[in-house]
Amino acid sequence: DAGITQSPRHKVTETGTPVTLRCHQTENHRYMYWYRQDPGHGLRLIHYSYGVKDTDKGEVSDGYSVSRSKTEDFLLTLESATSSQTSVYFCAISDPGVKNIQYFGAGTRLSVL
Amino acid sequence: GQNIDQPTEMTATEGAIVQINCTYQTSGFNGLFWYQQHAGEAPTFLSYNVLDGLEEKGRFSSFLSRSKGYSYLLLKELQMKDSASYLCAVTPGGSYIPTFGRGTSLIVHP
Repeated sequence: DAGITQSPRHKVTETGTPVTLRCHQTENHRYMYWYRQDPGHGLRLIHYSYGVKDTDKGEVSDGYSVSRSKTEDFLLTLESATSSQTSVYFCAISDPGVKNIQYFGAGTRLSVL
Repeated sequence: GQNIDQPTEMTATEGAIVQINCTYQTSGFNGLFWYQQHAGEAPTFLSYNVLDGLEEKGRFSSFLSRSKGYSYLLLKELQMKDSASYLCAVTPGGSYIPTFGRGTSLIVHP
């Protein structure tokens, strides 16, 4: 299994509070992604990174920011959490040199009350 | 933009064969992936197609027709453990960033 760790695995927070989710990889893959998954919507891309300090927006980036200061770590921040951000968040990694197959972390279940 | 369509839900009988279709419209094409996701778990890679034709891997096969914007995942000798969601993802031309369809929930019953 690809070495991807997401933390925390579960979090309950209140509206208006900041939240940071962490994705850590041990595979040295260049690309890292944050998705959210909601019933009826499938996996939707929030942000992705193609290298240290190189990030770009996905289709549902509003209300989220990311940072990648090291190859291994990709952080997703909700500056001021809203109830609409209650979701399951998946981190993924890939290497374009190996068919760009994505390997996913176990997910973080976030509830914003 | 990109559009990927797959059926929302399918049911099948243990031991049977099922075909899950995926149609797509993208700007160019740079590969199509199928992932399996069991309830409460992360997606896992099943197959990759970039050229037309059939890729076979054990009980699972995946087919691609680029001219028709069409793929299918074929599952043979269905087992109860194949009950899961199957996600089709397409990477457009000039990009490494795939877009996912909404997934097909497959229910296998005895």
